[in-house]
Amino acid sequence: GENVEQHPSTLSVQEGDSAVIKCTYSDSASNYFPWYKQELGKRPQLIIDIRSNVGEKKDQRIAVTLNKTAKHFSLHITETQPEDSAVYFCAASEEGTYKYIFGTGTRLKVLA
Amino acid sequence: GAVVSQHPSRVICKSGTSVKIECRSLDFQATTMFWYRQFPKQSLMLMATSNEGSKATYEQGVEKDKFLINHASLTLSTLTVTSAHPEDSSFYICSADRGRRTEAFFGQGTRLTVV
Repeated sequence: GENVEQHPSTLSVQEGDSAVIKCTYSDSASNYFPWYKQELGKRPQLIIDIRSNVGEKKDQRIAVTLNKTAKHFSLHITETQPEDSAVYFCAASEEGTYKYIFGTGTRLKVLA
Repeated sequence: GAVVSQHPSRVICKSGTSVKIECRSLDFQATTMFWYRQFPKQSLMLMATSNEGSKATYEQGVEKDKFLINHASLTLSTLTVTSAHPEDSSFYICSADRGRRTEAFFGQGTRLTVV
């Protein structure tokens, strides 16, 4: 089955700096990769996603890149703000199944 | 966006009792719902896939007799934790799909504490 690894587990950055979180997946059948932000005790919120027919996607300060050959995908947050502090999860899925295998999570702390 | 509502948001129960958690899709029909479990500071682990009108599909290592799933309608799936023990204390989250190549939508989660 699918296995998703995520690094780093914790990340502290100064406000205004960039943050990068990386994930790898194992199942070549996975073709949909969402990223979720979760605040303590709350539901995960989708922040960006990418499908395997695209190498990069950007939405304002957030971007995701995908290297299908290497089975890597990364989340990039630029100009970080304190409100970006949360736990971020990557996930992999075969599109249409909605069955997500999540990475282990990254606790991002943006220092003011 | 689509709304998935989970109830209750918090529950405390005694060891040996059973607890039912509901997951509802409020503005769409969901033929499939998913149940995840999240331990403190850990990831979401998929427990089972709930299929409307048929038996749930459980992930390896998840006891089907312990975690009973019922998906009796296109808008409701329930997870019953039977004979709960303190080690079952966790955050349980459901998700549902609306089809149409959109993302899955998550409920707000249920924090279960077994004392």
